[in-house]
Amino acid sequence: KAGVTQTPRYLIKTRGQQVTLSCSPISGHRSVSWYQQTPGQGLQFLFEYFSETQRNKGNFPGRFSGRQFSNSRSEMNVSTLELGDSALYLCASSFGGQPNTGELFFGEGSRLTVL
Amino acid sequence: ILNVEQSPQSLHVQEGDSTNFTCSFPSSNFYALHWYRWETAKSPEALFVMTLNGDEKKKGRISATLNTKEGYSYLYIKGSQPEDSATYLCAPPSYNTDKLIFGTGTRLQVFP
Repeated sequence: KAGVTQTPRYLIKTRGQQVTLSCSPISGHRSVSWYQQTPGQGLQFLFEYFSETQRNKGNFPGRFSGRQFSNSRSEMNVSTLELGDSALYLCASSFGGQPNTGELFFGEGSRLTVL
Repeated sequence: ILNVEQSPQSLHVQEGDSTNFTCSFPSSNFYALHWYRWETAKSPEALFVMTLNGDEKKKGRISATLNTKEGYSYLYIKGSQPEDSATYLCAPPSYNTDKLIFGTGTRLQVFP
């Protein structure tokens, strides 16, 4: 059974650019969550999608957006990049249902560096 | 905002030592508690999802207990091994938001 796949694994952007990250969940999983990890901050919740609808959103500015497709694949976009957006972005999938009673399966992450 | 606290922040133990960490959270609005292990250069991996007060779960040498009335969970590792070295994260979702908010974790290093 394939795990959660995130692309790209590494990328470098400059300030002001925008970036799109992709996440393919485990087959059969309908929930996809996104997290940002920066040194000293732990995992910060960005948003969660379930059946193509955003079910929850964290406290991030509107520059951070996401969407989910009918096949449960998800993308997140960050526009007008800032230096502080440099981070590891993790995607996690689960079956869904009642939110967060099932374990999350994480991808290996996309490491974004903003210069 | 849900306040999740994990202690200690870091822990260094010798191989063979047993150890435990704490996850504290507001006892109200709780409905589940997740524990994850995150090894360096790998993805976080689920250890336990607990939902009942008094719940105890075990996976090999690792076990966890849950007290929802007082708002804490303990994770125990018996006979620590170097491969147990990782950051251990807890996350209690709340009824208010359903968000899975992670604590900053306990970083465990086990020395041979």
